[in-house]
Amino acid sequence: QVQLVQSGAELKKAGASVKVSCKTSGYTFTDYDMYWVRQAPGQGLEWVGRITVKDGGTNYAQKFQDRVTMTMDTPTRTLYIEMTSLRPDDTAVYYCAKSWGWWSFDSWGQGTLVTVSP
Amino acid sequence: QSALTQPPSASGSPGQSVVISCTGTSSDVGYYNSVSWYQQHSGKVPKLIIYGITKRPSGVPDRFSGSRSGNEASLTVSGLQAEDEADYYCSSYAGSNTVVFGGGTKLTVL
Repeated sequence: QVQLVQSGAELKKAGASVKVSCKTSGYTFTDYDMYWVRQAPGQGLEWVGRITVKDGGTNYAQKFQDRVTMTMDTPTRTLYIEMTSLRPDDTAVYYCAKSWGWWSFDSWGQGTLVTVSP
Repeated sequence: QSALTQPPSASGSPGQSVVISCTGTSSDVGYYNSVSWYQQHSGKVPKLIIYGITKRPSGVPDRFSGSRSGNEASLTVSGLQAEDEADYYCSSYAGSNTVVFGGGTKLTVL
């Protein structure tokens, strides 16, 4: 079955960078785009961006354009999201999610809590 | 890329039906057939329950249904059960390979 396993929680200081990984299994890796979604404590879901696994092309939400980079390593079936210049309001659980069709996400990683201190 | 608008809360008694709205614009909800709904129980990972406005993934009870009228999409939960108590989020394709979420609705089963 599909599994998305993310790296562990991170504690960073403001201004630092963080890189979160998402290791996939159970499906044909190159057939499905992958997304990153974040959720601040007690808040709603926020779309961060997408990576087209076939060619590594990326699209980011406008508010993250300057600070986020999504990459992948096909041999290990692992996705990465790196965010720079972290601020306390970047504190959130970051999820990777697999596309299903119609721009929906049918499988989600367990989430990675990134905490940014002032 | 403004967030879609959902009511913060909704409620109903067991057996009743509840409708949760999701209001967007003619550039997202009203234009693309790519509205999805997610259910998120407290402390859990979101679960896809509706995609393509009206389609249900395998395993999702038919008590959950989706629709759209103009720029507003709706999720109807019929025959409410205690286990339906959760947060519900809509999302829509917004063009230029981007997606936008709603702010979420907390559904309480009375």
